[in-house]
Amino acid sequence: ETGVTQSPTHLIKTRGQQVTLRCSSQSGHNTVSWYQQALGQGPQFIFQYYREEENGRGNFPPRFSGLQFPNYSSELNVNALELDDSALYLCASSLDSGANVLTFGAGSRLTVL
Amino acid sequence: AQSVTQLDSQVPVFEEAPVELRCNYSSSVSVYLFWYVQYPNQGLQLLLKYLSGSTLVKGINGFEAEFNKSQTSFHLRKPSVHISDTAEYFCAVSLTDSWGKLQFGAGTQVVVTP
Repeated sequence: ETGVTQSPTHLIKTRGQQVTLRCSSQSGHNTVSWYQQALGQGPQFIFQYYREEENGRGNFPPRFSGLQFPNYSSELNVNALELDDSALYLCASSLDSGANVLTFGAGSRLTVL
Repeated sequence: AQSVTQLDSQVPVFEEAPVELRCNYSSSVSVYLFWYVQYPNQGLQLLLKYLSGSTLVKGINGFEAEFNKSQTSFHLRKPSVHISDTAEYFCAVSLTDSWGKLQFGAGTQVVVTP
């Protein structure tokens, strides 16, 4: 079975720009969750997508948005980038009946200058 | 709301020695508990999970954890560590009806030296 793949692995943006991060979920998984991990901290839940609908959101502003496609892959979009958005963005997939067992990708490291 | 506290930010340990990583949580309702490991420049890998049943949970790579409801703790242990266990370890909690929405602790960096 394939795991969770994320792209790009690294990217650099400047303040005010927009970024799109992509995630392919593990085969058979229908739920995608996104997390932000700032340097030296634990991951923070951004939001989750289930059956192409947002299914819960953490304490992140509306400039963080997402999509889930019919093949269960997902995108995370961040508008009006701020310096504090610099972080590792992790995507995790799961089955809705999987009792919270997440499979994580390796992440996309975003640097905002 | 639930929260997680990892009591040690860094734990140095010698190879073949035992290690214990402490995790306390707070929640007014039932939760699931997890330990994840993160190796440098990688994502998170599940070590073990507590959903229900036996309070002693065994995971991969020789790790185990014990759920203690009265002390709201979920400490992780390994009787003998290897150099390859050097990594960041995260304790996490979720509500039982909120799959995929984990609350993570700040992490414990384990450094194993010969």
